[in-house]
Amino acid sequence: GAGVSQSPSNKVTEKGKDVELRCDPISGHTALYWYRQSLGQGLEFLIYFQGNSAPDKSGLPSDRFSAERTGGSVSTLTIQRTQQEDSAVYLCASSPLQGPSGNTIYFGEGSWLTVV
Amino acid sequence: GESVGLHLPTLSVQEGDNSIINCAYSNSASDYFIWYKQESGKGPQFIIDIRSNMDKRQGQRVTVLLNKTVKHLSLQIAATQPGDSAVYFCAETGGTSYGKLTFGQGTILTVHP
Repeated sequence: GAGVSQSPSNKVTEKGKDVELRCDPISGHTALYWYRQSLGQGLEFLIYFQGNSAPDKSGLPSDRFSAERTGGSVSTLTIQRTQQEDSAVYLCASSPLQGPSGNTIYFGEGSWLTVV
Repeated sequence: GESVGLHLPTLSVQEGDNSIINCAYSNSASDYFIWYKQESGKGPQFIIDIRSNMDKRQGQRVTVLLNKTVKHLSLQIAATQPGDSAVYFCAETGGTSYGKLTFGQGTILTVHP
């Protein structure tokens, strides 16, 4: 597709279960980002992948959170042993990092996670 | 710590009016600023950006102004329409990690017909 694609769009899970959220960035975009947005709040940086460089994981809130990016394209954000405070919208974004608009960051529609 | 904040959490205007949404930032190293629009249930939508070597940039019905002296950013929307109703976020970044955007809390813009 033309934009950043995320799945699932909605996920309800029981406390303690693991969840995986998937992101397909815009084709050709070198950089991929994960953000989290709690209800009525701004966006919180989680992790940033840039090409083949080591990811910037400085925003991950705990060791229950991890992310990988395979083949420089698709990324998966994994939350282990989910807690109720993990309930939020998880937003993926990508940017080309090249050209006059290289730093423009485009977001997907998000994966709405509810932990019950 | 460094932060980006908004002066007004809500803004209510009449259709056709011009809207101005303000944002203050504290990181003097920031050199790239973006405004996003977020409608209910959707991801942030890029509106306009500006680099620190500029003080004004215009798009379609939108203008972003940057005052580096007082670390202030504003988004002006001309002839505001009901479809402009949304939450507007400013974000800033800089240095070598352009993906690490710092977002403000957002301003809710409501446009009355």
